[in-house]
Amino acid sequence: GEDVEQSLFLSVREGDSSVINCTYTDSSSTYLYWYKQEPGAGLQLLTYIFSNMDMKQDQRLTVLLNKKDKHLSLRIADTQTGDSAIYFCAESNPNNNDMRFGAGTRLTVKP
Amino acid sequence: SAVISQKPSRDICQRGTSLTIQCQVDSQVTMMFWYRQQPGQSLTLIATANQGSEATYESGFVIDKFPISRPNLTFSTLTVSNMSPEDSSIYLCSVESSGTTYNEQFFGPGTRLTVL
Repeated sequence: GEDVEQSLFLSVREGDSSVINCTYTDSSSTYLYWYKQEPGAGLQLLTYIFSNMDMKQDQRLTVLLNKKDKHLSLRIADTQTGDSAIYFCAESNPNNNDMRFGAGTRLTVKP
Repeated sequence: SAVISQKPSRDICQRGTSLTIQCQVDSQVTMMFWYRQQPGQSLTLIATANQGSEATYESGFVIDKFPISRPNLTFSTLTVSNMSPEDSSIYLCSVESSGTTYNEQFFGPGTRLTVL
């Protein structure tokens, strides 16, 4: 089956930038997403990018997509302790109704 | 957006018993999804539940083990039957937004299940 992979842990200091990476295998992916899951809460969509784009910026968040390498990244500028959470990469394509998720990257922000 | 609640939020169950998880949405939605989130693993789709039809199960999941009900457009249940410790997981329901082109899904807070 198609896979979405991401590293499990990332630790940064408050004020630094965080970069969370994700790779996927489905070349027909249409949309790619970053979801955030805080303790005890459901996943919340942070941002998404359409597959014909290579970059999207939204305030402190920058998403980069390298479609050739099937690599997606999420950069969080000026990371705050409130950014500590698990970040899930996901992708979908028009052939399926479902989404495929990575295992999640646990971001820890140290003061 | 959609607001989703799940009951129970967590439970500890004995092997061989069954647990029914409820998912309530604050608006009418066509498609509801049930996911399992195991520690250190990706979310895995169990099934898609559409109102008025049988749920569609993903490979590796069967109706006898995970029966689903979808009696109306705002509610669904997932039952984990004849539980074993391997069923210990977080179970999440989600709905797909009908107002966007990018297939946004909204997730409930999850039900943390521990099977002893």
